[in-house]
Amino acid sequence: EVQLVESGGGLVQPGGSLRLSCAASGFTFSGNAIHWVRQAPGKGLEYVSGISGNGLTTYYASAVQGRFTISRDTSKNTVYLQMDSLRTEDMAVYYCAKNPPGKNNACDIWGQGTMVTVSS
Amino acid sequence: QSALTQPPSASGSPGQSVTISCTGTSSDVGGYNYVSWYQQHPGKAPKLMIYEVSKRPSGVPDRFSGSKSGNTASLTVSGLQAEDEADYYCSSYAGSNNVFGTGTKVTVL
Repeated sequence: EVQLVESGGGLVQPGGSLRLSCAASGFTFSGNAIHWVRQAPGKGLEYVSGISGNGLTTYYASAVQGRFTISRDTSKNTVYLQMDSLRTEDMAVYYCAKNPPGKNNACDIWGQGTMVTVSS
Repeated sequence: QSALTQPPSASGSPGQSVTISCTGTSSDVGGYNYVSWYQQHPGKAPKLMIYEVSKRPSGVPDRFSGSKSGNTASLTVSGLQAEDEADYYCSSYAGSNNVFGTGTKVTVL
């Protein structure tokens, strides 16, 4: 079964750090770009970050540029999102999603999401 | 990056059609044929319904169709069914990343 499973969410104080993981299974990991999308409670979807299938190209929304870092470990079929200097406005459910090769801006499989709460 | 503009709500009776617009700029919607549409039911992860403006992934009913003109993309749902009631988001490639629309809640009357 093609699957993405996020983990690492939780409660963190403003200014703190958290690392999210997105574990992939059931498909050729290295061939797919992986993106992170977040959704604040009661709000819409917001693009956060992405990494190409070969890991050479990364993408960041301006709201997180310089604070978040995306990376991937092919040996573990896992993508990470290191989140530093967290702000209250970063509080959201974070989804990871895969984008298959040959298709553009087409996230066809999504994880169930992990909640990040930023509060003192 | 500014979110793409969608109407907050749209509605139709079963069997009718509803069209949702998604307005951006020449730097996103108008500049690339990389517009996608996602359906999201409450408490669930988004589901890809249309990609690259008008292509449907396997398993998505042909009642869903997409188009684009200039800086505005559109999603049409024909033959509305109860299960189509959900939030819909457009998304576009914007050169250095992707951007989502503000979202539209579709209600089946």
